[in-house]
Amino acid sequence: DTGVSQDPRHKITKRGQNVTFRCDPISEHNRLYWYRQTLGQGPEFLTYFQNEAQLEKSRLLSDRFSAERPKGSFSTLEIQRTEQGDSAMYLCASSSRTGARELFFGEGSRLTVL
Amino acid sequence: QKEVEQDPGPLSVPEGAIVSLNCTYSNSAFQYFMWYRQYSRKGPELLMYTYSSGNKEDGRFTAQVDKSSKYISLFIRDSQPSDSATYLCAMSVLTDSWGKFQFGAGTQVVVTP
Repeated sequence: DTGVSQDPRHKITKRGQNVTFRCDPISEHNRLYWYRQTLGQGPEFLTYFQNEAQLEKSRLLSDRFSAERPKGSFSTLEIQRTEQGDSAMYLCASSSRTGARELFFGEGSRLTVL
Repeated sequence: QKEVEQDPGPLSVPEGAIVSLNCTYSNSAFQYFMWYRQYSRKGPELLMYTYSSGNKEDGRFTAQVDKSSKYISLFIRDSQPSDSATYLCAMSVLTDSWGKFQFGAGTQVVVTP
């Protein structure tokens, strides 16, 4: 499978714990995006990387959230001191900067904070 | 008010009917428009994208953009039960921030056999 891969698919954690999600983009894509989707809503932009550089962060990304993309390959999204309001689907997407401007999503990582 | 408005539905149609979906937007800087299909507990799947006003066809799907009215539509012909899903519109500017999409809330479609 050469699509966007996310892990884990579902994480259940207790309030106050830290969680980390991983995303492996389509191999030739140099842009990687994180979105968050809550029930009944469309995805909301969180941040994006071009290669290893994080170029933009949404106001939704509080200081408890940190994203990295070392070496411009896979990316991680860490949430520290989770809160119940962090419960959502965290979606990763990737695209190529050139050619057809298509944004491909992974299956998402669902977070449940108890 | 949200930048992108989309009726959440649900929209129920009989098999074989035409499904008509639409979104309105307020930001005239949006130049790039996409439609995604999302099955329950899955990631969004890209259906179509378009840059310009007018119609774009791909199989049973037709995307329509009217920039003067800030209105986009997706039509699904000969609908099948497998088309039952949530359909999301998304739009973006065409600058280096491309990919920072604004999504609608999604319309749930149910196609009944």
